[in-house]
Amino acid sequence: KNQVEQSPQSLIILEGKNCTLQCNYTVSPFSNLRWYKQDTGRGPVSLTIMTFSENTKSNGRYTATLDADTKQSSLHITASQLSDSASYICVVSAQGNTPLVFGKGTRLSVIA
Amino acid sequence: GAVVSQHPSWVICKSGTSVKIECRSLDFQATTMFWYRQFPKQSLMLMATSNEGSKATYEQGVEKDKFLINHASLTLSTLTVTSAHPEDSSFYICSARDSRGSVSSYNEQFFGPGTRLTVL
Repeated sequence: KNQVEQSPQSLIILEGKNCTLQCNYTVSPFSNLRWYKQDTGRGPVSLTIMTFSENTKSNGRYTATLDADTKQSSLHITASQLSDSASYICVVSAQGNTPLVFGKGTRLSVIA
Repeated sequence: GAVVSQHPSWVICKSGTSVKIECRSLDFQATTMFWYRQFPKQSLMLMATSNEGSKATYEQGVEKDKFLINHASLTLSTLTVTSAHPEDSSFYICSARDSRGSVSSYNEQFFGPGTRLTVL
C-alpha cells in the first residue's frame, strides 16, 4: 500500500534555530517527492520537488534531501523565522496518472 | 510561477442550499484538476479528479450526485456541493496539473488557496 509517514507530528522551536523534518514513503514506482508548506486556512505552497536522480534541493532557507534507496526524505529549515510556523506536508507521486500520496504533515511552531 | 485561484475564499450557507466553488488556472492550461477536502488538523483527502471535457472520476466514498464537478474549459473547474449539510463544512482545495509543462517540467500540481465552507 502506498503510504507516506512524517515525523514528528508537531514541533516547537525558538526563532533562529534550525530544524529537520522527516518523511518516509512506500510509494512505488516512485516518480517524485514534494514538500509543501501550508499556512492555516490556506492552500499548500510548493517548496521543493525532487525526482529519483536528485538527492538534495534548496529553496532559500529550506533544503530537502532524498534517499531513494531507503525511501526517506528530510526538510531542513535554517535560521527559522516566526513566519515559518505552518504545516509542512510531504507528498509523493507515483509514476503514471495516479493520485498523489500525502503525508499527514508536521505542524511547526516557531516562537520568539 | 503557476497560479491557481479559487472563488469564493469562504462561504457560509444554510443547510439544504447548494454552493458552487470555482477553480481557475490563471497562467497555464490544465486538462486535469483535482478537488480535495481537508478537515481540521487532517491531511488533504482527494475527492475527485476532474478531466476537461469528460466526466469526473470520484474517489471511493464520495457521492457524485452530491458533489457535482464540471470541467468545461482548460482553465476552469467547478465543484457544486448540493443540498449542503453541516457535516459538509470543511476546507475545499483544488489543484491543477500542468500537464503540458508550460510552467513546470515535473508534471506538477499547483494548489489553489482553498475555500472554507461553513454550513449552518
